[in-house]
Amino acid sequence: QLQLQESGPGLVKPSETLSLTCSVSGGSISSSPYYWGWIRQPPGKGLEWIGTIYYVGGTYYNSSLKSRVTISIDTSKNQFSVKLSSVTAADTAVYYCARHKTHWGPGAFDIWGQGTMVTVSS
Amino acid sequence: QSALTQPASVSGSPGQSITISCTGTSNDVGGFNYVSWYQQYPGKAPKLMIYDVSNRPSGVSNRFSGSKSGNTASLTISGLQAEDEADYFCSSYTIRSTRVFGGGTKLTVL
Repeated sequence: QLQLQESGPGLVKPSETLSLTCSVSGGSISSSPYYWGWIRQPPGKGLEWIGTIYYVGGTYYNSSLKSRVTISIDTSKNQFSVKLSSVTAADTAVYYCARHKTHWGPGAFDIWGQGTMVTVSS
Repeated sequence: QSALTQPASVSGSPGQSITISCTGTSNDVGGFNYVSWYQQYPGKAPKLMIYDVSNRPSGVSNRFSGSKSGNTASLTISGLQAEDEADYFCSSYTIRSTRVFGGGTKLTVL
């Protein structure tokens, strides 16, 4: 059964770069043409899609974050990652990685990681 | 990209049916049959309940159903149960090949 697990620093200083990795277990990230995404949720607020990457590397980003976000994939390690630069307190959130159910593009998310809380503070 | 519009809260009594709306534009909800719905309990990751407007993943109760009319999608929960009390989020594919979420709806079972 496919499982996703986020990892990375729980505390990031303002103006620095937030870096998180999603490790995929129970299946190969490159064995099927799936899309993989990142979503975040500020405390007490709704979900915000950050971006998505195809298993061979094509990317899609939220236009409001596009200038600061980079999503990459490492099929040899069976993981994908997100980097968000120049962070502020507004980037404090629970960050989720998830798999898109579809093979055509950023469709519904059917498998989610448990989420990891990232706080931006000096 | 603007978030989809959902009511902040809805409520219902056990056994009743409730409907949560999700309003977008012709560039997202109205333009594609790629609306999905998620259930989220406090402190937990979201769970997919409906995809592609009206399809239920394996294991999701048939009390949950989805539909769409124009730029508004809807999630209906019939035979409301105490365990349905949670936050619900809609999401849609958009004309820019991106995804957008709704603001979320808190369901209270009275």
